[in-house]
Amino acid sequence: AQKITQTQPGMFVQEKEAVTLDCTYDTSDPSYGLFWYKQPSSGEMIFLIYQGSYDQQNATEGRYSLNFQKARKSANLVISASQLGDSAMYFCAIYNSLDSSARQLTFGSGTQLTVLP
Amino acid sequence: AAGVIQSPRHLIKEKRETATLKCYPIPRHDTVYWYQQGPGQDPQFLISFYEKMQSDKGSIPDRFSAQQFSDYHSELNMSSLELGDSALYFCASSPGDLGWSDTQYFGPGTRLTVL
Repeated sequence: AQKITQTQPGMFVQEKEAVTLDCTYDTSDPSYGLFWYKQPSSGEMIFLIYQGSYDQQNATEGRYSLNFQKARKSANLVISASQLGDSAMYFCAIYNSLDSSARQLTFGSGTQLTVLP
Repeated sequence: AAGVIQSPRHLIKEKRETATLKCYPIPRHDTVYWYQQGPGQDPQFLISFYEKMQSDKGSIPDRFSAQQFSDYHSELNMSSLELGDSALYFCASSPGDLGWSDTQYFGPGTRLTVL
């Protein structure tokens, strides 16, 4: 079975500063994908960034980057230059296509980020 | 760019009634997933379809059924509704052929309230 742990239920950051949201994972399979999604208060689930288990470089997408430390099984999301619109719930998720019991996104419990003006 | 479409966006039902949720995936995406998100919880996988065939099942109650049609849209049918079925129901679609890098794109969700 695969598992995601997000240990920060809530985080605060000042506008224009950077923030790191923690994510650790557990899986016995060497091939997997790690995903981050953003869920604003309106409820939709927005894909942010993806990191594959064999990727040598950390993924980046605009102001989002992923600090991927495979040996430590962590995939922390870094948001640079925070904006008020970044206030939302952030979910880390893992996907494994080779194990039929894991061929789905398994989410962590989420981190509620609040950006302060 | 086209996104996943879900209808209806909001649905209010009484206990023991039935509900049907619809999902239209992104064009050329042949895999559809259904997730249930209870209040204050993370999304839980219910069921998935690949090329119109059921692929995997998660924690989907026997009262629920789903299918994917020839045009790739999917419907989640829920019968004998219970208060605990009140949740946000997401449909997600993916290209389906990218292995573990297959990114799932979510629809806006259907918020079901059972009274």
